[in-house]
Amino acid sequence: GQQLNQSPQSMFIQEGEDVSMNCTSSSIFNTWLWYKQDPGEGPVLLIALYKAGELTSNGRLTAQFGITRKDSFLNISASIPSDVGIYFCAGQLSGATNKLIFGTGTLLAVQP
Amino acid sequence: KAGVTQTPRYLIKTRGQQVTLSCSPISGHRSVSWYQQTPGQGLQFLFEYFSETQRNKGNFPGRFSGRQFSNSRSEMNVSTLELGDSALYLCASSFGGMSADTQYFGPGTRLTVL
Repeated sequence: GQQLNQSPQSMFIQEGEDVSMNCTSSSIFNTWLWYKQDPGEGPVLLIALYKAGELTSNGRLTAQFGITRKDSFLNISASIPSDVGIYFCAGQLSGATNKLIFGTGTLLAVQP
Repeated sequence: KAGVTQTPRYLIKTRGQQVTLSCSPISGHRSVSWYQQTPGQGLQFLFEYFSETQRNKGNFPGRFSGRQFSNSRSEMNVSTLELGDSALYLCASSFGGMSADTQYFGPGTRLTVL
C-alpha cells in the first residue's frame, strides 16, 4: 500500500528539547494532517493544514503546508513526557475526499 | 459531544471465519471511512461511505466489504479470514464535505486471526 515518506523514523530526546519531523510525497495534496497515536488507540488529530504555505500552531505544536504541496513538517517545542507516542502525517488528494494517505510514522520518546 | 465509537474493541477469530465490525460516527457526521493498521503496511485506507453509498475504495480484495445505515452507522465485514488480516481496524468520521473535511478516529478494533 501507499505510504508517505516520514522522517525521522524515531527520536529519543530529553524533556524540554524541541522536535522536528517531516513528510514528503511524490503527489500533490490538498490537505495535510498531523495525528498522534498512543498504543492501542486511534490517531488523534493535532493540526490540519488546508493551503500551500500555511503555518498553523496548536499550543506547543507548529505545522506547515509546503509550498510545493508535496511536503509538510511538524515542530514540537519544549517537549514534555506526555508527548510520547507515534506521530503520523496524512495527505488528502484532490478529488479523493476522505481517502487519507498516511506517513510511515515517527516514534517519539521523551526522557524526563 | 461523544466521539467515534467502535465495537468490539478486541476480537479473536480463526482462519476461514468471517467477522463484522461496527462503527458509530460523531453525531452529525455523515461520512465514515475505514482503515487497516498493521506493523508492516502502516495505516491503509479501506473504503469510505457517505449517505449509505461507497464513495471511495482502497486497494483491498473483495473479501473486505462495508455498508452504511441511514443513521450513518457503518459496518465492515471481512470474509474468509486470513492470518494477514490480523490488524487494528480504525474507523474515522467526518461531515463529508467535498473539501477541507477533517476526520476523527475511533479507538479501533483489534482483530487477531489464529
